[in-house]
This record gives sequence, structure tokens and C-alpha cells, in this order.
Amino acid sequence: GAVVSQHPSWVICKSGTSVKIECRSLDFQATTMFWYRQFPKQSLMLMATSNEGSKATYEQGVEKDKFLINHASLTLSTLTVTSAHPEDSSFYICSARDPDRGHEQFFGPGTRLTVL
Amino acid sequence: GIQVEQSPPDLILQEGANSTLRCNFSDSVNNLQWFHQNPWGQLINLFYIPSGTKQNGRLSATTVATERYSLLYISSSQTTDSGVYFCAVRYNQGGKLIFGQGTELSVKP
Repeated sequence: GAVVSQHPSWVICKSGTSVKIECRSLDFQATTMFWYRQFPKQSLMLMATSNEGSKATYEQGVEKDKFLINHASLTLSTLTVTSAHPEDSSFYICSARDPDRGHEQFFGPGTRLTVL
Repeated sequence: GIQVEQSPPDLILQEGANSTLRCNFSDSVNNLQWFHQNPWGQLINLFYIPSGTKQNGRLSATTVATERYSLLYISSSQTTDSGVYFCAVRYNQGGKLIFGQGTELSVKP
């Protein structure tokens, strides 16, 4: 149980285009989901907290207009990287909290974004 | 804010050896999790352990919340144990999970 899926697993896009990443909790309902970014050889950096039915809460320094988050249902959150540039290339990981398991967090497999 | 420090930053082991990874945190927490990030980037939940001791096969973990540290024990290490081990803590029920910098483990055959 407690599986989180992410799609796509990798994407290559041209500079200036937008990319959408989906995160789903497959066997539990997640009122709260999280989006992280990870650079090579570094730890995970929280970008934003996504709450179902309300606006996301962004961490300091994360551009809301560049990283659009939508949490439309209890099992789906999406991250859209708008007008992507090479510096947005990174590994993006989503996470969901299972309220029935003491709020333990589970992580998706990640999406590797490369912007050319 | 809460600081999470992991040690050692890197560790090289011979297959079959045992190891202990440490996580220190700077404030009272109500959640602590250990993860293993495999070479493909997937974070695998190892333990959800805000306090006490748990064991799962060759792995075990102990959190002493009053002294603000947690230990992850790996016994009889295997090459598949290689990867980065992260400790992450949360200090209140609705708060965010704060990650340490990780310990990169390499197990040689």
C-alpha cells in the first residue's frame, strides 16, 4: 500500500515551452501533497505544499507563476513548469501524506526534466 | 528553523560489514522518517520512527527524541544497499518534512 505514482518519468523539452508533471496517490486519499526539487548530489528541496481544493503554499524563493500547482482531487496533484529554461532542468519529486498512517509521507519515483 | 545533520556524509563498506548512520536534529519533532534513495532516484521508506526502536530484516532504527538523534543500523551489508540514505523530520502535525543532507553509502563486493 501507500503507492505514489508520477508521470512522466522523464521529459525533454525546448526552452520556452511548458511541461506538466502529474502525481497520483494510488491507494490512499491525500489531502496534502508536496513537490520537491533535487539537484545532483544534493538533498531534496521543498518547493511547495499542495492542498486539495485550495491554493498551494510556496516556499520562499520559489516563483509561483513559473511553477503552477493544481490539486484538483484527493488523489491528483499537477506541477506545470511554465516557459521552461535550461536552469529549470532538474529532478522533480512529488510526495503525498497518508492521513491513515500517522501522516507518514510517501514519494513518487521522480521526473527528470531536461530543458534544451 | 530546525536543522537536520547526518553523519557521515560518505561511507564505503565491504560487503558483509555493518554500519551505523546518525541523524541529529535541533528541536523537538513529532515525526522522523528514514529513506533510501536508490540509483534511479526513487525514495524508499525505511522507517517511520518518531521515537523508539524498529527492525525490518537487516535494518533497524532507534530514535531518542529527548536527546534529539536517530540511528539507522545496517547489518551484513549488500551491494544493493548502496545509495543515499536520508533522514527527515517534522516538528508539528501539519508542518513540512525537513531533510538532512544524506549519507552516501557504497557497498563493494
